[in-house]
Amino acid sequence: GAGVSQSPRYKVTKRGQDVALRCDPISGHVSLYWYRQALGQGPEFLTYFNYEAQQDKSGLPNDRFSAERPEGSISTLTIQRTEQRDSAMYRCASSLGAGGSDTQYFGPGTRLTVL
Amino acid sequence: GDSVTQMEGPVTLSEEAFLTINCTYTATGYPSLFWYVQYPGEGLQLLLKATKADDKGSNKGFEATYRKETTSFHLEKGSVQVSDSAVYFCALTRSSGGSYIPTFGRGTSLIVHP
Repeated sequence: GAGVSQSPRYKVTKRGQDVALRCDPISGHVSLYWYRQALGQGPEFLTYFNYEAQQDKSGLPNDRFSAERPEGSISTLTIQRTEQRDSAMYRCASSLGAGGSDTQYFGPGTRLTVL
Repeated sequence: GDSVTQMEGPVTLSEEAFLTINCTYTATGYPSLFWYVQYPGEGLQLLLKATKADDKGSNKGFEATYRKETTSFHLEKGSVQVSDSAVYFCALTRSSGGSYIPTFGRGTSLIVHP
């Protein structure tokens, strides 16, 4: 079946613009995670949802970052007033269950470049 | 806070050599432990996991044992292949107030030569 998809795959934007990154999880998966990954580093947790509820957003770096999953399926990560330091790979993952031992299935990522 | 420490890469081996990638962690309670692998040009995918002390995860010839006493989850394979060349990430997930927060290591690149 279809895996996790993300769009766009690449996004180049100018400093100060808002961007919206989309994640389409595997159908029926309860949990959805957002990560940021710098080059040569591991994924850094940003936030996650169970169904439509945002369970934890402790990893969001500041209030320019927000996320939603209004119908418990597709999720959008929005970065307002982008800055050059926001340039990174943004990854989404989903899991069938909501437990800590559930396998996460990762999407291909969106590479964001802020000029 | 939680942390995962992996050995620095790249690790360069000849085909059929023995592989060890060290991973140690810091976390309160009893986290679940994972190894994820990222092949060139692809996303991360689960390689193996262990959810409690002394559990051994295994897949595709790779193994790792959850060692609570040494807070370690080292990845091993007896005979690597060129196709194992990838970046390997050690990770943990810990329960915190009903939420499950994942923490990843920085990854270890493995290069296997024929």
